[in-house]
Amino acid sequence: AQSVTQLDSHVSVSEGTPVLLRCNYSSSYSPSLFWYVQHPNKGLQLLLKYTSAATLVKGINGFEAEFKKSETSFHLTKPSAHMSDAAEYFCVAPQGGAGGSYIPTFGRGTSLIVHP
Amino acid sequence: EPEVTQTPSHQVTQMGQEVILRCVPISNHLYFYWYRQILGQKVEFLVSFYNNEISEKSEIFDDQFSVERPDGSNFTLKIRSTKLEDSAMYFCASKKGQGFTGEQFFGPGTRLTVL
Repeated sequence: AQSVTQLDSHVSVSEGTPVLLRCNYSSSYSPSLFWYVQHPNKGLQLLLKYTSAATLVKGINGFEAEFKKSETSFHLTKPSAHMSDAAEYFCVAPQGGAGGSYIPTFGRGTSLIVHP
Repeated sequence: EPEVTQTPSHQVTQMGQEVILRCVPISNHLYFYWYRQILGQKVEFLVSFYNNEISEKSEIFDDQFSVERPDGSNFTLKIRSTKLEDSAMYFCASKKGQGFTGEQFFGPGTRLTVL
């Protein structure tokens, strides 16, 4: 079964500095992987997704993530943090359900704090 | 831009009462989902729904829970007899097509507080 581990519950950066949010997955096959962002009082929004095409995936708002099979990682990065990036970030992977379709498995989330 | 909406934003209820959480998915979407997030914990899948029937459900989704699409626009989650541990944020999501590569669009959530 697929599982997702987000290694940090909180990450704190200064505005203008790089962001790194870590995600590791466990799977015996190349999975689909997603990053979602949740701003306060808002629903989750898709940032980017990996679906077995290019290993470096670019998303919205300047975020990107690199799928590294050898490290079973899908870390989210951004070169320069902005105050508006402060939010909760979730790494998500599917696992097969008993009914034959996919069940999303969420990491515990990483809270990104951006200091001025 | 179309979006998923949920009502109410916050529901307070007494233990043992029934609650219905409402969602309006994006109009041309065919797949619907409910998730919950207990405070401080991860987002958990509850159920998926397609073609007027449940396609997947988690162990959390026991007989106390039910879902319904009563008309062409609403998608509801009913909890028959609420428990204290049902207190959580409940998210609805919808998706246009099949498979997992398509994007799910999430609503803003309903915070359920059971007293």
